[in-house]
Amino acid sequence: EAGVTQFPSHSVIEKGQTVTLRCDPISGHDNLYWYRRVMGKEIKFLLHFVKESKQDESGMPNNRFLAERTGGTYSTLKVQPAELEDSGVYFCASSRIAGGTDTQYFGPGTRLTVL
Amino acid sequence: GNSVTQMEGPVTLSEEAFLTINCTYTATGYPSLFWYVQYPGEGLQLLLKATKADDKGSNKGFEATYRKETTSFHLEKGSVQVSDSAVYFCALRRSAGSQGNLIFGKGTKLSVKP
Repeated sequence: EAGVTQFPSHSVIEKGQTVTLRCDPISGHDNLYWYRRVMGKEIKFLLHFVKESKQDESGMPNNRFLAERTGGTYSTLKVQPAELEDSGVYFCASSRIAGGTDTQYFGPGTRLTVL
Repeated sequence: GNSVTQMEGPVTLSEEAFLTINCTYTATGYPSLFWYVQYPGEGLQLLLKATKADDKGSNKGFEATYRKETTSFHLEKGSVQVSDSAVYFCALRRSAGSQGNLIFGKGTKLSVKP
């Protein structure tokens, strides 16, 4: 079974530009999460999809961030326009819809650098 | 609010040394607790978890016990190996169900020298 994949692995852009990150969850996983780790700080939750619907977007920092999951498969996270403080590692995770001991499986992350 | 505080790193140990990484939490209700590990160049992997008070999670020689009275979930291993070098994250999931997002500590980098 393939794991969670993310693209690109690294992205370097200039302030004011646009970047789109992609996440492909494990096949059959309806739950998809985005997290971000800014240098030296905690990994912070951004938002949660159940299939194509946004279940919880309370962690999205501002309206420069737009997440989509059309068709309930892969997801994209667009940052427009990017600011210096957006630099960090963006992680995606997925899990099945199930009760009890559900596990979130993480991708390797996308390292975003805004210059 | 809900939060996780874990021991600041980096931690450097010699092979076969005893490891403890402290983790305490603040949460309402009864969260589930997790340790994730990130090996160099890889994503986060679930190391172990505990879903209720006094539960002990264990995996690959690592252990952690959910202590509600001290709101702690310290990670321990009796004899570390070079291959254990990684960043370790303590986390809680606040929702009673399976779909709640994770709340992480800052991570502790462990380096094990031969």
